[in-house]
Amino acid sequence: AQTVTQSQPEMSVQEAETVTLSCTYDTSESNYYLFWYKQPPSRQMILVIRQEAYKQQNATENRFSVNFQKAAKSFSLKISDSQLGDTAMYFCAFIGNTPLVFGKGTRLSVIA
Amino acid sequence: DTGVSQNPRHKITKRGQNVTFRCDPISEHNRLYWYRQTLGQGPEFLTYFQNEAQLEKSRLLSDRFSAERPKGSFSTLEIQRTEQGDSAMYLCASSLHRGGVSNQPQHFGDGTRLSIL
Repeated sequence: AQTVTQSQPEMSVQEAETVTLSCTYDTSESNYYLFWYKQPPSRQMILVIRQEAYKQQNATENRFSVNFQKAAKSFSLKISDSQLGDTAMYFCAFIGNTPLVFGKGTRLSVIA
Repeated sequence: DTGVSQNPRHKITKRGQNVTFRCDPISEHNRLYWYRQTLGQGPEFLTYFQNEAQLEKSRLLSDRFSAERPKGSFSTLEIQRTEQGDSAMYLCASSLHRGGVSNQPQHFGDGTRLSIL
């Protein structure tokens, strides 16, 4: 069974600084996708960034980028120039031939 | 695109009662998913549909849980004889599936928060 592990329950970062959230996963599948979702307090979950496992190039979306290490089964999220609106729970998620599997999340607080 | 809509937003009920939640997906999305999220945890997959067909239901938490999507549009999730442990946020998501591994992102609703007294 696929598992997703987020080892940092909580993190904080100063506004305008850079922070990296960790995620590791376990799978025997070769074709899969990885996602980072953001869930602000009392608000709906939204997609931050997506990575296709067959692509070596790391995905980027504006201030958000990933470091995808397929051999190590690692998929970290880097947030540059952190903003107060980035405060949220961040979930790493995996999808292959099984339904979407989420990690337990990392609570990120951006401090002014 | 009005997004995924879930009703009600909150539901408070007594233990033993039946509850039903509704989800209206994004109109062009053919897949619809149900998740449960408890405090401090990530969403836990329950079941999903492609159009009106329920493709996976073995993850439903017990036989008290059931879901339908009769016309391939909106879906309902019913919990019968509710228990204290059913208190959670129930999330619905939808996506457009074009075959193969589902790489299209799921769009989530605001969820229905269930509280069992």
